[in-house]
Formats: sequence, C-alpha cells, structure tokens
Amino acid sequence: ETGVTQTPRHLVMGMTNKKSLKCEQHLGHNAMYWYKQSAKKPLELMFVYSLEERVENNSVPSRFSPECPNSSHLFLHLHTLQPEDSALYLCASSHYSGQGTSTDTQYFGPGTRLTVL
Amino acid sequence: AQTVTQSQPEMSVQEAETVTLSCTYDTSESNYYLFWYKQPPSRQMILVIRQEAYKQQNATENRFSVNFQKAAKSFSLKISDSQLGDTAMYFCAFMNYGQNFVFGPGTRLSVLP
Repeated sequence: ETGVTQTPRHLVMGMTNKKSLKCEQHLGHNAMYWYKQSAKKPLELMFVYSLEERVENNSVPSRFSPECPNSSHLFLHLHTLQPEDSALYLCASSHYSGQGTSTDTQYFGPGTRLTVL
Repeated sequence: AQTVTQSQPEMSVQEAETVTLSCTYDTSESNYYLFWYKQPPSRQMILVIRQEAYKQQNATENRFSVNFQKAAKSFSLKISDSQLGDTAMYFCAFMNYGQNFVFGPGTRLSVLP
C-alpha cells in the first residue's frame, strides 16, 4: 500500500462504547496529525506527533486520546463520545526537519466517517 | 494567531472555462507556506499546489496556478480548462515553520457540463 491509510472508513458507535481509529503512513514521514472535519466548519487540528513526541494538543476533550507507537502508526482512542463528535476524522503525515526549520507538505488519508448515536 | 479566509462558499464554472478561487490570510510572520487542497466527493484531501512565501514566482501545476501577493496576503487559485473531475471542495491552508497548519473554511466548486 502507498500513501496514508485509515481504518475503519466508517464507524457507528454508541455514547458508552470504546473504539479506536487507526492511521498508517507508508511515506517515510516522521510527523503525523489528527484532524476533525465537521459540516460547515474549517478543519480542526486535534493532535500533532512529531518525531513520535506529542507537540501540540488544541484543548481537545479528554474523551479523545491519541497514541503514536512509532513513526508509521497513529491511533485515536475514543470513549464516551457525544453526538456532536460525529464528524470525518482525517489523518495526515509529513516530514519534519526539526524545530524552527521548514517542513514538508502534509499528505492526508481518506478519513474515518464517525457517527455517534 | 494566523487566520485563513475564503470569501466564496460556493462557485460554479462551465467545463473548459477558467475559474479563480480567492484566499486571504493574516500572519505576522515573513516565512511560511501556502497550499491549496482539493477534497472531492470521495472525501480524501489531495494536495493541489504549494507556494513558499520566500519565492516571488507563482507556483504552477499543470492547469492549476496561483496568484501570490505577499504584501496583500492574498493567495488565489486559478483553474484553467476546467474539467468535471475538478468538482470538489477547495481548501486554502497556511503553514508556518512551527508546523501549525490553519485551513480556510473551503469553497465548493461545481464544474458544469
């Protein structure tokens, strides 16, 4: 496989369920990102992992928990979600040269369409 | 904080014609990158074109070109010879050297046969 892949592509869950979204990149990148895309809203950056360290968390609720076991894999663990969390969750990856230096373009996966009932 | 504005929520263009999508941004930084991403109905975000702020020459990629006006903080996308496959949401995005990505709200483009 090439590029950035995400599984599952569609997920329906109840508010009390626990599930995980998976992202895998095959581009040799060292930075990965989770975005949330809701209807009629700009893309929201949720988490950034760069060189396997989390470097940014935009005040995302604790019911979203990221995990980055290595530079190729990124997970988003979900628990006790709310209906307003229903959205498209996009993963992206890029090459990061280091703090204060230029970085490469982000490449996106196809997304996971999440519906919370 | 950086912001990205796309003032055209929806646009349409006839096949084979040219269309320009607008984007303005606000930043106090002098070095940064600008991007246009396309999101077709399949929902996967695809990079269309990228511009480094330190380069004065406008980026081009086949039928896609940009008009980058750094002083005006404007970054418009021109699509020439529009094709039906160009129908998509188009997002303008800003990225500084600290990896902070900011996306605009998007412009929905419909190419009409």
